[in-house]
Amino acid sequence: SQKIEQNSEALNIQEGKTATLTCNYTNYSPAYLQWYRQDPGRGPVFLLLIRENEKEKRKERLKVTFDTTLKQSLFHITASQPADSATYLCALGGDSNYQLIWGAGTKLIIKP
Amino acid sequence: NAGVTQTPKFRILKIGQSMTLQCAQDMNHNYMYWYRQDPGMGLKLIYYSVGAGITDKGEVPNGYNVSRSTTEDFPLRLELAAPSQTSVYFCATRGYGASSYNEQFFGPGTRLTVL
Repeated sequence: SQKIEQNSEALNIQEGKTATLTCNYTNYSPAYLQWYRQDPGRGPVFLLLIRENEKEKRKERLKVTFDTTLKQSLFHITASQPADSATYLCALGGDSNYQLIWGAGTKLIIKP
Repeated sequence: NAGVTQTPKFRILKIGQSMTLQCAQDMNHNYMYWYRQDPGMGLKLIYYSVGAGITDKGEVPNGYNVSRSTTEDFPLRLELAAPSQTSVYFCATRGYGASSYNEQFFGPGTRLTVL
């Protein structure tokens, strides 16, 4: 069955450093991958989308890479700030359906 | 614009009771989804709808029902609540545009406890 893995342990990063989160998947060939941010007690909020034919996408301090050979996406936050502390979810989508398959998320903690 | 709204925010049910979780959107989106999120788990799709009058089961539909009589509203009905339905429920929408890769927009969630 399709499976998505994100680091289950919280990631602690010092303010100003680059945070890197990992999303691995198996038994699936997604057409695209999305990253969302979720704050405690709130619904997820969309951050970035990357298509299967794209290697890298950037938005301000955020960068996403997508390696369909390794079946892996990396999500980077450069110059991290305490306000970046949240849980980050990755989700995979196919070309011909309306659904996303979700990872469990990685909790990121940026220490001042 | 309110976006996606959900009511109630919190609810405690006794085993065997029923309730309806409300979801409304003012984004004129065709696609709507109901998810549940359990601690340490990814979002699980319960039901989804591609437009008014059309609904379909997701990954975990047992114990739930939905209806979609209008574009704006997508209520989720729990019949005979069970402790296994204790979870946080999220409603989400997605627009229909040139790309089928459009992002989903989420409501604030309903935290349900069944005792």
